[in-house]
Amino acid sequence: QQQVKQSPQSLIVQKGGIPIINCAYENTAFDYFPWYQQFPGKGPALLIAIRPDVSEKKEGRFTISFNKSAKQFSLHIMDSQPGDSATYFCAASIGRRLTGGGNKLTFGTGTQLKVEL
Amino acid sequence: SAVISQKPSRDICQRGTSLTIQCQVDSQVTMMFWYRQQPGQSLTLIATANQGSEATYESGFVIDKFPISRPNLTFSTLTVSNMSPEDSSIYLCSVGTSYEQYFGPGTRLTVT
Repeated sequence: QQQVKQSPQSLIVQKGGIPIINCAYENTAFDYFPWYQQFPGKGPALLIAIRPDVSEKKEGRFTISFNKSAKQFSLHIMDSQPGDSATYFCAASIGRRLTGGGNKLTFGTGTQLKVEL
Repeated sequence: SAVISQKPSRDICQRGTSLTIQCQVDSQVTMMFWYRQQPGQSLTLIATANQGSEATYESGFVIDKFPISRPNLTFSTLTVSNMSPEDSSIYLCSVGTSYEQYFGPGTRLTVT
């Protein structure tokens, strides 16, 4: 019930295209859904996050769409660039905000994105 | 966000030995987390480390194998004990600030 399922495993798009990465969860107690971007040899970097009280969030070229009834959320990358080539992880966490700290994350399996010229 | 550093960045160790990984944060944080990322795989939480209390381990991870220290609000260590080749992974610490979590650069461990 703690699992987060992510698809596709890999994705190749042309420069300027809009890759879409999907995640699904079972546990309705999840209340925070971040996306991380990881380049080879680096730690994951927080990209954008959403809470279930909104259906969409945009930050720059990155958009999260959230469907609470379907228990699904997705990442869209507008006008993708070769520099966006990385592995993307969705994640989810449970619980209310703890004083001074966060809650443990359950990660999806990752999507390796390649943006070609 | 928080700036997180880890030492060492990488190491090659012989089976049966132990390695201690250090995690330093540039600000005080209550909760620190240790994750493992096996090659080409996702991240799996090893344990949650709160200052002043025992670490809380996830299923499949035990204190004898992965002892953790958390002496203050900016520092933690993870020891990988009695290593075997199956322990070859990237070990990442992260810190929580409200809902967000930020990750360090990771320690790439190879066990021969």
